[in-house]
Amino acid sequence: QQQVKQSPQSLIVQKGGIPIINCAYENTAFDYFPWYQQFPGKGPALLIAIRPDVSEKKEGRFTISFNKSAKQFSLHIMDSQPGDSATYFCAASISNFGNEKLTFGTGTRLTIIP
Amino acid sequence: ETGVTQTPRHLVMGMTNKKSLKCEQHLGHNAMYWYKQSAKKPLELMFVYSLEERVENNSVPSRFSPECPNSSHLFLHLHTLQPEDSALYLCASSQSGTANYGYTFGSGTRLTVV
Repeated sequence: QQQVKQSPQSLIVQKGGIPIINCAYENTAFDYFPWYQQFPGKGPALLIAIRPDVSEKKEGRFTISFNKSAKQFSLHIMDSQPGDSATYFCAASISNFGNEKLTFGTGTRLTIIP
Repeated sequence: ETGVTQTPRHLVMGMTNKKSLKCEQHLGHNAMYWYKQSAKKPLELMFVYSLEERVENNSVPSRFSPECPNSSHLFLHLHTLQPEDSALYLCASSQSGTANYGYTFGSGTRLTVV
């Protein structure tokens, strides 16, 4: 019930391409869906987040698409660059003051080749 | 210092040792978390502290003992660990109860149990 399923496990895209990473969840009580980016030797860093009252959110080259009925959300990276090569994690949580626990997907290792 | 700082960055310990991991946040957040990151597994929530009170203990073995002396500091005391406890231990903080409570992670402590 608390699981978040992420795919693919790894992804290689040519520079300028649009990598797409997908996540699916079961718990309809989830109401906050962030994406994190992690570089080797660093902790995950918040990239972009969405709530289920909107179907899409853009921040720079990063876009989240959200499909509430399908219980799926995805990350798109426009005009991808080699510097975007990192591991990406989706997550979900329930807004519950004092106990907002994030449940993470298993991660996608993204490689952008020049 | 800004953000979330974790020390040490690397730790090698024997199964009979006792050691502690330290986390300090300089963001004025009111919640702190310990996560375990193992290869090819989702980030596993271990403990949640909100307003210095432990609100979650996610079935973690007693050989891991957290301590939160104030809202800026979080410790993870380790004793009698097993080799399978080798992992990256991540600390995070957030401002619980706000609309965008995305976690800020530290860079982690890479723990190796020998």
